[in-house]
Amino acid sequence: EAGVAQSPRYKIIEKRQSVAFWCNPISGHATLYWYQQILGQGPKLLIQFQNNGVVDDSQLPKDRFSAERLKGVDSTLKIQPAKLEDSAVYLCASSYRGEYNSPLHFGNGTRLTVT
Amino acid sequence: QKEVEQNSGPLSVPEGAIASLNCTYSDRGSQSFFWYRQYSGKSPELIMFIYSNGDKEDGRFTAQLNKASQYVSLLIRDSQPSDSATYLCAPFQGTGRRALTFGSGTRLQVQP
Repeated sequence: EAGVAQSPRYKIIEKRQSVAFWCNPISGHATLYWYQQILGQGPKLLIQFQNNGVVDDSQLPKDRFSAERLKGVDSTLKIQPAKLEDSAVYLCASSYRGEYNSPLHFGNGTRLTVT
Repeated sequence: QKEVEQNSGPLSVPEGAIASLNCTYSDRGSQSFFWYRQYSGKSPELIMFIYSNGDKEDGRFTAQLNKASQYVSLLIRDSQPSDSATYLCAPFQGTGRRALTFGSGTRLQVQP
């Protein structure tokens, strides 16, 4: 079973620039998540999709972050404009059903550095 | 009060000893509890999960859950240097946000 694919692995941008991350979940997984992990902290949920609908985006800074999941498969997360505090690892995860007994499987993450 | 609390560590144990990692959570509606291991510079990987009170064993790992006390723990028997990592506790919240909320993790160091 192929895992969750993410790209790019690393990205360095200047503040106020824009950046986009891509994620392809495990085949058949209906639920897709984007988490932000700042160094020394646990992952923080940004947005959760069930198929191509948003389940929870309450912690997504919507003035600068946006995400979509077209056709219920791949997803992109965009930041525009980036701030210094956005420097973090952005983790995409998927699960089969998004239920209490459905584990999350993480991709390798994208390490973003904003200078 | 934080939603998930873990001692940041580092927790240092000698090789072959039992490592005990603890986690408390605030949402009484949490239905299940996941333990993830994260090596430095890597993404989290699932160790095990539990959703019934009591113990659940998988190889050298045992998860213990006490919903009344809102407490979950992970025991690692016969600790190996390769177990040195950060361990993240993540309740699945049954109300409101139906996703995993992660603690900050406990860093475990197993000394050879």
